[in-house]
Amino acid sequence: GQNIDQPTEMTATEGAIVQINCTYQTSGFNGLFWYQQHAGEAPTFLSYNVLDGLEEKGRFSSFLSRSKGYSYLLLKELQMKDSASYLCAVTMYSSASKIIFGSGTRLSIRP
Amino acid sequence: EAQVTQNPRYLITVTGKKLTVTCSQNMNHEYMSWYRQDPGLGLRQIYYSMNVEVTDKGDVPEGYKVSRKEKRNFPLILESPSPNQTSLYFCASSLTGGLSGNTIYFGEGSWLTVV
Repeated sequence: GQNIDQPTEMTATEGAIVQINCTYQTSGFNGLFWYQQHAGEAPTFLSYNVLDGLEEKGRFSSFLSRSKGYSYLLLKELQMKDSASYLCAVTMYSSASKIIFGSGTRLSIRP
Repeated sequence: EAQVTQNPRYLITVTGKKLTVTCSQNMNHEYMSWYRQDPGLGLRQIYYSMNVEVTDKGDVPEGYKVSRKEKRNFPLILESPSPNQTSLYFCASSLTGGLSGNTIYFGEGSWLTVV
């Protein structure tokens, strides 16, 4: 079967760094998305990893280890506006249509 | 501007009264999909379409229908809504689905309450 695990909630302090983990067990894994979703709004694209390693985009970085079925999203210099849910989603090479989302991690930033 | 537009954004309806949620994208994307989002369950795929006249079931298709007569439109139909279909619904599109990391664009969401 397919399974994606993320922590349900996390709290961090403004200006700090936080790492949000995502583990997955899927057959035919192709790549992994990270999306940000503010409450009541549409998810917006953050990153896509298909190769092992770290990809950096400004304050946000995403890491993938295919052999371990593991990814993380790293947020640096946290700002209050980073309070949101962060969704990881996996794609399968066996099916372009299959995009499976995790339940999301709700991140709260305190001053 | 690249957009996925869905309507209505908010709807309260009664059990059994047929309703349609429209979805339209202006990016000439082949792939479109509907998701529902419920607390603690994340985004669950209802139906998807890889191209015109090509649709298939996702993980939670019961109680829903879709059609893809034109590339830009992908309406979600609830023939006989029930209270367990109360949810936040998102329409999404991307160039060719999940492969190649094509960005998935989401509509703003439709809050549906069935009483």
